[in-house]
Amino acid sequence: AQKITQTQPGMFVQEKEAVTLDCTYDTSDQSYGLFWYKQPSSGEMIFLIYQGSYDEQNATEGRYSLNFQKARKSANLVISASQLGDSAMYFCLSGGSNYKLTFGKGTLLTVNP
Amino acid sequence: DGGITQSPKYLFRKEGQNVTLSCEQNLNHDAMYWYRQDPGQGLRLIYYSQIVNDFQKGDIAEGYSVSREKKESFPLTVTSAQKNPTAFYLCASSWTGGLKTQYFGPGTRLLVL
Repeated sequence: AQKITQTQPGMFVQEKEAVTLDCTYDTSDQSYGLFWYKQPSSGEMIFLIYQGSYDEQNATEGRYSLNFQKARKSANLVISASQLGDSAMYFCLSGGSNYKLTFGKGTLLTVNP
Repeated sequence: DGGITQSPKYLFRKEGQNVTLSCEQNLNHDAMYWYRQDPGQGLRLIYYSQIVNDFQKGDIAEGYSVSREKKESFPLTVTSAQKNPTAFYLCASSWTGGLKTQYFGPGTRLLVL
């Protein structure tokens, strides 16, 4: 079984600053993956970044990076140089050997001008 | 452009009525998924299919049915047995063969009259 905990229901950041969204996970799988998705007010879930449990380097995709600390079971998302369009709900997900994904409850990020 | 389409964007259901939500993908993915999202919550898996003519129940399959007659299509029927169908429904697809990134459609919002 897998469990995802996102402890920040809401976060605020000033435009052009960096922000870290927290995610901790619990899993019994030896091999697993962690995902971050963005859900704007339109509702579509947009894939941002993926980290495999055996990846030694932290994943990066443009302004997004994943701070993966395996021993602490954390997979925090870092957004650099925030933009107004980054305002959205952000979900941390985990998946194991089957196809099922476990979702966190999400963090609502608001970027202020 | 490759992607996932869902229709309609909004759907209204009367008491005792079955309604069908459409999901089509042209990404050539083998696997497709249906999720339900309630306000302020993450997504919960309803059904998934890894191959044509085969599908499995997810965590909340009661009151729902699916079919997978074509690779591109995975329609979801919300039956009258689903007593609380008001929610946002998201369809996703992915490659198979272990944990893969899922790509989502724009969603259908179902409301009960």
